[in-house]
Amino acid sequence: GENVEQHPSTLSVQEGDSAVIKCTYSDSASNYFPWYKQELGKGPQLIIDIRSNVGEKKDQRIAVTLNKTAKHFSLHITETQPEDSAVYFCAASISSNTGKLIFGQGTTLQVKP
Amino acid sequence: GAGVSQSPSNKVTEKGKDVELRCDPISGHTALYWYRQRLGQGLEFLIYFQGNSAPDKSGLPSDRFSAERTGESVSTLTIQRTQQEDSAVYLCASSLGTMNTEAFFGQGTRLTVV
Repeated sequence: GENVEQHPSTLSVQEGDSAVIKCTYSDSASNYFPWYKQELGKGPQLIIDIRSNVGEKKDQRIAVTLNKTAKHFSLHITETQPEDSAVYFCAASISSNTGKLIFGQGTTLQVKP
Repeated sequence: GAGVSQSPSNKVTEKGKDVELRCDPISGHTALYWYRQRLGQGLEFLIYFQGNSAPDKSGLPSDRFSAERTGESVSTLTIQRTQQEDSAVYLCASSLGTMNTEAFFGQGTRLTVV
């Protein structure tokens, strides 16, 4: 069935280092891939998204890459800061004519000062 | 308000009781989602409403779970005869419903079944 796998489940980095989170998806018709950040006690919030007509998108310290052939996409955070510490979720749209999103299991990122 | 609103924010209920959770989406958003998030876990899809189409109920874990939505407004998620394993945060999100648009999440309802 429809599935999104996310790795790693936890990630600890030193402040200033880069962090990379990877996801794979199963539905070849998926064409929208958002990333959400969830802080403690809050709902997830979109930080960046990518559509299948591009291979990479960047927004300041955050970038996302997409490989449709391999069905995987990644989040890259550079120059990490303590406030980047949170749970990050990837998601993929299911089929091309609905907005239904399937989420990965999440990655807990800890940035050590 | 401008965002997705969920109520109550916290609910403690006794095992076997029914509960009803409410979600007010962003005005104009035709799509609405319910997800369940157990402690330290990911987002588990429950149900998806899109305009007047039949809802996608494929994620509902049992027949004790049901959800309704009136037009493009409020949605309620009902859990009958609650069990301890139903304890979780229930998140609602809404979007414009067109292809590839951002889903905005509410703060969630934390349900504890004792």
